Amino acid sequence: AQSVTQPDIHITVSEGASLELRCNYSYGATPYLFWYVQSPGQGLQLLLKYFSGDTLVQGIKGFEAEFKRSQSSFNLRKPSVHWSDAAEYFCAVGATGGYNKLIFGAGTRLAVHP
Amino acid sequence: GAVVSQHPSWVICKSGTSVKIECRSLDFQATTMFWYRQFPKQSLMLMATSNEGSKATYEQGVEKDKFLINHASLTLSTLTVTSAHPEDSSFYICSARDYQTASGSYHIQYFGAGTRLSVL
Repeated sequence: AQSVTQPDIHITVSEGASLELRCNYSYGATPYLFWYVQSPGQGLQLLLKYFSGDTLVQGIKGFEAEFKRSQSSFNLRKPSVHWSDAAEYFCAVGATGGYNKLIFGAGTRLAVHP
Repeated sequence: GAVVSQHPSWVICKSGTSVKIECRSLDFQATTMFWYRQFPKQSLMLMATSNEGSKATYEQGVEKDKFLINHASLTLSTLTVTSAHPEDSSFYICSARDYQTASGSYHIQYFGAGTRLSVL
């Protein structure tokens, strides 16, 4: 069965520092992978996605993610974090079969110190 | 593009009453919409998959008679929490998929802003 693991529940970084959020997935074939961001009391916004091709994908708000098949990982990165990046980040994999629902990780809460 | 509107954003109701939440895709058509429930500081829990013109598919453990889903058109799905009780208080989020996109993009879900339900 497909699954997604986000090992870090909570991360704190200083504004201007670099960021990497980890995501590992379990899937038999080439997965559809997503990163979403959720601000408090809001829905989810798509940051970026990977379907195929170039393993380094660029997203909105200066985020990028790299798909590494050998490590079953899809880590999210940003070179310089802004205070407005404080939010909850969810990694997800698109399940096959049925209605192709998304399987979400538990989320990583990012705090940014000034 | 790809905007999903969810209404209301916050609702307070008395125990025993029913509450309806609407989810609309504003600029695309969605044969499939999803309803999630989110507890504080937790991930999203898929409740059901809503299919236009047919019955919803509920996840294991979700009461069909408690959470009624109607997907009557390609742009509207509704979730009705019937006979709500305090334990139903939660954050409910819907999402929709654009069925007219290319195969890969079909997996993208666009989310509403969520509805906070408080049952007194």
